[in-house]
Amino acid sequence: SQQGEEDPQALSIQEGENATMNCSYKTSINNLQWYRQNSGRGLVHLILIRSNEREKHSGRLRVTLDTSKKSSSLLITASRAADTASYFCATDPRMDSSYKLIFGSGTRLLVRP
Amino acid sequence: EAQVTQNPRYLITVTGKKLTVTCSQNMNHEYMSWYRQDPGLGLRQIYYSMNVEVTDKGDVPEGYKVSRKEKRNFPLILESPSPNQTSLYFCASSYSAGQLNEQFFGPGTRLTVL
Repeated sequence: SQQGEEDPQALSIQEGENATMNCSYKTSINNLQWYRQNSGRGLVHLILIRSNEREKHSGRLRVTLDTSKKSSSLLITASRAADTASYFCATDPRMDSSYKLIFGSGTRLLVRP
Repeated sequence: EAQVTQNPRYLITVTGKKLTVTCSQNMNHEYMSWYRQDPGLGLRQIYYSMNVEVTDKGDVPEGYKVSRKEKRNFPLILESPSPNQTSLYFCASSYSAGQLNEQFFGPGTRLTVL
């Protein structure tokens, strides 16, 4: 079963607007990561937030983590057409002694010029 | 240049014909992993390796084998491919197995099993 579920599945915005994507997960985690994927290509790491952090910034990206609600959000400010991609959250659940990384099904973002 | 490479990038094969997809990283990473990506399902982890000779199952290991004889290489083996293994496959690596960190992904291998 999917640990992380992104919401919405698809998002279409105008260039310059902000884009917000949400991720929910089921079990306790060590950290949560966000990745971007351009069509059919390998994923690129965007940002990692640890379970004891609540907010993190990187350029136009802002990530929040609410461990009590088991959710995270990714905000992209002042979006550009080049931000068009799929975005995935990934968690490493604290389960037994495994080191699995579990990805959600992703949010497809379209930024219209 | 730091990178993860996969070969082949595209492969069309027939049911039952054994195949190997290679993965190599030049970053001296301990952790390596294989994922498959299918429409609507995101990425699902097949196998991972925390270091040489240490491998473990991910969420969808059935029908796959892996080996980690050298730190840089982590091949994915399909002993008897079936059509339901048609998918886009990604190899990834990261520098630490103690706590999972940034994964560096290869460019992907698109496999079609007829």
